[in-house]
Amino acid sequence: DAKTTQPNSMESNEEEPVHLPCNHSTISGTDYIHWYRQLPSQGPEYVIHGLTSNVNNRMASLAIAEDRKSSTLILHRATLRDAAVYYCILRDNSGGSNYKLTFGKGTLLTVNP
Amino acid sequence: DTGVSQDPRHKITKRGQNVTFRCDPISEHNRLYWYRQTLGQGPEFLTYFQNEAQLEKSRLLSDRFSAERPKGSFSTLEIQRTEQGDSAMYLCASSLMGGQPQHFGDGTRLSIL
Repeated sequence: DAKTTQPNSMESNEEEPVHLPCNHSTISGTDYIHWYRQLPSQGPEYVIHGLTSNVNNRMASLAIAEDRKSSTLILHRATLRDAAVYYCILRDNSGGSNYKLTFGKGTLLTVNP
Repeated sequence: DTGVSQDPRHKITKRGQNVTFRCDPISEHNRLYWYRQTLGQGPEFLTYFQNEAQLEKSRLLSDRFSAERPKGSFSTLEIQRTEQGDSAMYLCASSLMGGQPQHFGDGTRLSIL
């Protein structure tokens, strides 16, 4: 699986936007960019995914660079409940290798009141 | 709540004992996954099922580990002759099909005395 690089930690203030970066310079054409987050004492939770175009859902937005070598997860208005570890994962949707998620260490997001 | 449920949430056992964990996936999901997570690390893939068939096993899954999914519904993960290094959070996830987002349970935390 292609590797992703994320900052170990980031800090934000409540009600402000948060931009979580992810570098994936070795991404292949069939790799989707997935984001999951893990709140304390819980299992990971799906946030969003995309291939080439920017994506929006009720939780977040995903901005994908034109060359696809990086992406940014955007939380438009951080709340205390958004404090979690955020994982950026590349997932090859071609053939039989789409069964697993390969997690790194992720970015620990702290949200200050 | 119709999410993924895992039982027990916590298990404390002595080294050398056998333990079994249960996972109940979302009912219409035909794929079920097991991951293991140690402190400070992201989850690591162990194995997955499509319906009742176990299709892939990680090298992390030693001979002491066995997983089953009879009738393609719930799954069990058994660890025989537990060792200190087995202490971890064991996470179960399910998805409708390959490539779809995985939905995680809140895990079983195993502590080996």
